Amino acid sequence: KNQVEQSPQSLIILEGKNCTLQCNYTVSPFSNLRWYKQDTGRGPVSLTIMTFSENTKSNGRYTATLDADTKQSSLHITASQLSDSASYICVVSPGGFKTIFGAGTRLFVKA
Amino acid sequence: EAGVAQSPRYKIIEKRQSVAFWCNPISGHATLYWYQQILGQGPKLLIQFQNNGVVDDSQLPKDRFSAERLKGVDSTLKIQPAKLEDSAVYLCASSSVAGGHGEQFFGPGTRLTVL
Repeated sequence: KNQVEQSPQSLIILEGKNCTLQCNYTVSPFSNLRWYKQDTGRGPVSLTIMTFSENTKSNGRYTATLDADTKQSSLHITASQLSDSASYICVVSPGGFKTIFGAGTRLFVKA
Repeated sequence: EAGVAQSPRYKIIEKRQSVAFWCNPISGHATLYWYQQILGQGPKLLIQFQNNGVVDDSQLPKDRFSAERLKGVDSTLKIQPAKLEDSAVYLCASSSVAGGHGEQFFGPGTRLTVL
């Protein structure tokens, strides 16, 4: 069964600290993996996309990694800011018309 | 470039009533999605259109939910009759890429509360 699992479910960090969010998937075949950021009351916005041949992708202070062999991805946030408080959703596409969403990690950044 | 528009932003109804949501995708985007997002969970795909044709509606509760995209542009999602468990945010997204691998651009969502 195609599934995307994210951990932790929620996370609280202090402003300025780094953090890493995890995404494990059992989706097969694999086309690409995206990380989305969803601010409260808003729709998700794409942060990064990685295909099978890519193992790292950066977008400012966000760096995503992909290990296609172990079917794991992580999103690393450097020097967190209050505006990073949001849900981060991992989305995997097996190709075709399908996309499988994870439940998300809720990040709270405290001053 | 204008984003995905949705209306209304908020809706409160009583159970067994009907409700409709409207979505206008980004101009030129052929693929349109409707998602249901329950608090604390990731979005769940309800229906996906490619132009005005349905690509995937396997998770749409067809006894009460319906959606249409008659001219291949804007779309309407309807719930009739609503149940308490339909309380959620309904997100519309669009993509310029056919298939699920393209970036999806989401609207702000409609928050539905069923009392």
